[in-house]
Amino acid sequence: DARVTQTPRHKVTEMGQEVTMRCQPILGHNTVFWYRQTMMQGLELLAYFRNRAPLDDSGMPKDRFSAEMPDATLATLKIQPSEPRDSAVYFCASGSRQGQYEQYFGPGTRLTVT
Amino acid sequence: AQSVTQLDSQVPVFEEAPVELRCNYSSSVSVYLFWYVQYPNQGLQLLLKYLSGSTLVKSINGFEAEFNKSQTSFHLRKPSVHISDTAEYFCAVVAPGGSYIPTFGRGTSLIVHP
Repeated sequence: DARVTQTPRHKVTEMGQEVTMRCQPILGHNTVFWYRQTMMQGLELLAYFRNRAPLDDSGMPKDRFSAEMPDATLATLKIQPSEPRDSAVYFCASGSRQGQYEQYFGPGTRLTVT
Repeated sequence: AQSVTQLDSQVPVFEEAPVELRCNYSSSVSVYLFWYVQYPNQGLQLLLKYLSGSTLVKSINGFEAEFNKSQTSFHLRKPSVHISDTAEYFCAVVAPGGSYIPTFGRGTSLIVHP
């Protein structure tokens, strides 16, 4: 049963600290998305990769957020420095053209910045 | 560009009652349509999708949705809901041949009461 995995599942950190979230997409998928979900804003797209290349990160605060795919099995989302307003659930999703654009979501990382 | 409107933020119903969750979209091109479900503390998962062909699509757990091109709608229905259907439901559209980036609605919280 292929699944998207995310680590850590929960993270509590203090303001100013660096946070790194990791995602392992489903093997063979060539697109990876990072989303942030909050009660106020709903689901927001932060970054989008296709074949490991970043194609859209317009939704991401550039001064503190960065997203990378060092290889096809790992995507990372980093926040440095973190702020209380970054508290949210961060989801990674993967997909493929063969899958006709449907997305497979990971379980999410719940981030709390105090 | 596409947009998705989910007209109801919350829909309370009693168990075994029918339910309809509404979704309208706007797009200048043909789109694929999706419904995702998010159970508490989980990521989104695909419920059903419309790509082409029959305008009525069904899920394995009794939900169905009908694509109405003239009304630009893709409403989700179930004739008899269970307590376990309590979840957040998201409608999404993707323009095929484009960037793979879906546009999500704000979500509808379905609350099933005993």
